[in-house]
Amino acid sequence: AQSVTQPDIHITVSEGASLELRCNYSYGATPYLFWYVQSPGQGLQLLLKYFSGDTLVQGIKGFEAEFKRSQSSFNLRKPSVHWSDAAEYFCAVGSWDTPLVFGKGTRLSVIA
Amino acid sequence: EAGVVQSPRYKIIEKKQPVAFWCNPISGHNTLYWYRQNLGQGPELLIRYENEEAVDDSQLPKDRFSAERLKGVDSTLKIQPAELGDSAVYLCASSLDRGSPLHFGNGTRLTVT
Repeated sequence: AQSVTQPDIHITVSEGASLELRCNYSYGATPYLFWYVQSPGQGLQLLLKYFSGDTLVQGIKGFEAEFKRSQSSFNLRKPSVHWSDAAEYFCAVGSWDTPLVFGKGTRLSVIA
Repeated sequence: EAGVVQSPRYKIIEKKQPVAFWCNPISGHNTLYWYRQNLGQGPELLIRYENEEAVDDSQLPKDRFSAERLKGVDSTLKIQPAELGDSAVYLCASSLDRGSPLHFGNGTRLTVT
């Protein structure tokens, strides 16, 4: 069965600092991988997705993620964090015929 | 394009009462999902529809939960009777087809007292 692990429950970074959120997945075939962001009281917004091809994918709001098959990872990065990036971030794995399975999320706090 | 619309945004009920949630997906999206998100957790799939057919409902507690998607557009999720453990955010999402990215609504926060 597919699963997603986000090892960090809560991360705090200073505004302007770089960010990396970790995601490890378990899936039997080539997965579809996603990162979503959720602000308080809101639904989930898609940041970026990986289906195939280039393993470094660019998303919205300056985020990027790199698919590393050998490490079963899909970590999310941003070179310079803004205060508005404070939110909950979810990694998810699925495929064409299996629905998405989400990790438990990483809460990002941004300090001045 | 208009996003996924859910109503109500909030619902407070006493245990053993029934409750229903409504979802209007993005126009043209064939696949519709209901997820439940407990506090501090990621969303967990309850049911997935391809048009009007439920193709994955293995995680839906069928003794008290039911769902329908009439004419392959709007969908309702019902709980009867509600239990304290049903308190959560119920998220509806839609996608163009299976495998396409999901677009989520803002959810319905249910509190069962």
